Amino acid sequence: AQKVTQAQTEISVVEKEDVTLDCVYETRDTTYYLFWYKQPPSGELVFLIRRNSFDEQNEISGRYSWNFQKSTSSFNFTITASQVVDSAVYFCALSEAWYGGSQGNLIFGKGTKLSVKP
Amino acid sequence: DVKVTQSSRYLVKRTGEKVFLECVQDMDHENMFWYRQDPGLGLRLIYFSYDVKMKEKGDIPEGYSVSREKKERFSLILESASTNQTSMYLCASSTPGGLPDTEAFFGQGTRLTVV
Repeated sequence: AQKVTQAQTEISVVEKEDVTLDCVYETRDTTYYLFWYKQPPSGELVFLIRRNSFDEQNEISGRYSWNFQKSTSSFNFTITASQVVDSAVYFCALSEAWYGGSQGNLIFGKGTKLSVKP
Repeated sequence: DVKVTQSSRYLVKRTGEKVFLECVQDMDHENMFWYRQDPGLGLRLIYFSYDVKMKEKGDIPEGYSVSREKKERFSLILESASTNQTSMYLCASSTPGGLPDTEAFFGQGTRLTVV
């Protein structure tokens, strides 16, 4: 069965601190996609990143970076020099690839609420 | 810009009412989804559809049904609303799994309160 675990329910940091959000996944598939979404107080989920299972390169985008390790089934997200605008709920998600053309369903973790205080 | 639009941001309905939540996407996506979001439970899949008139149950379909008569529109129906269906409902659309550009785009959510 597929599962995504975000063990941190809430994290609180002070502005400019670095913070890492953990994500551990389970899947039997060899081909799959991992995602991070941000949900600010307005409610809409904002796509941050997608990785496929064959690409273990870490990625950096500005203050954001992602560390994908298949050996530990983890896809962790780090925010460097956090800002108040980073306050949101962050979701990690898993999608298995169905080459039949259907699905593409996302399995979400329960989310981590990040509060960045000035 | 991909747009997924949900018809209402906030809804208040009475117990026993039939409730329709509408979702429209403008990117010609095959897949559409309805999720429910509750504190501490994350997002849970109610139903999804991978083609017009096709639908599949998700993890929590009880008390809900869906309709997809046109590719761009996916409706969630609460046949007889109950207070335990008070929640945030999120619609999403995506291209089929397996393509390099698979990602889901979400609407702004509908916060439904059943009284």
